[in-house]
Amino acid sequence: NAGVTQTPKFRILKIGQSMTLQCTQDMNHNYMYWYRQDPGMGLKLIYYSVGAGITDKGEVPNGYNVSRSTTEDFPLRLELAAPSQTSVYFCASIQQATHLNTGELFFGEGSRLTVL
Amino acid sequence: AQKITQTQPGMFVQEKEAVTLDCTYDTSDPSYGLFWYKQPSSGEMIFLIYQGSYDQQNATEGRYSLNFQKARKSANLVISASQLGDSAMYFCAMREDPSGTYKYIFGTGTRLKVLA
Repeated sequence: NAGVTQTPKFRILKIGQSMTLQCTQDMNHNYMYWYRQDPGMGLKLIYYSVGAGITDKGEVPNGYNVSRSTTEDFPLRLELAAPSQTSVYFCASIQQATHLNTGELFFGEGSRLTVL
Repeated sequence: AQKITQTQPGMFVQEKEAVTLDCTYDTSDPSYGLFWYKQPSSGEMIFLIYQGSYDQQNATEGRYSLNFQKARKSANLVISASQLGDSAMYFCAMREDPSGTYKYIFGTGTRLKVLA
């Protein structure tokens, strides 16, 4: 059972370059999230999706774009990378919270991005 | 306004002793969930414990318990019989359910160091 898979795990970008962080989950979860974690800090929500075709902004969406064409995949696109986007990015998903489950986030292993 | 507050950037505890990590939250939603996650130095996010806003009893999971004081809006994590492997960052998180969107907000974390 793979859970939430993120690729790549590490990436170095030059200022102005673009890239896509891939996230896929095999648990048939409707809800998916992208967070960033700056050094020594907590997680900040970038974008989230409540189902295929539906996305919405979180706390820090500037400089990012997402799409959700399938239930499984939720890629995060960085356009015109800037040093401020140096961070660890986490993708997460949940089953809808009901009285039968806690609705805890299932996290990928993270993607460490450095922009130089 | 900060919705999740963790006031202890760092904590030390002697091995085999108990430690309490503080978390206060702010929400006007009557239905919410509170979570604690552990992040070891390897970087992954590990779910520890969950408390629902309507739960009458404090949650427990092995050596972890959540001291839920609803009126004070606090959700402190208690780790009993600390082990060296408990050294990690600990994050408190809250899930709000406005219109079924399930947004998760994280605190800034507490770094726990267990001393031999």
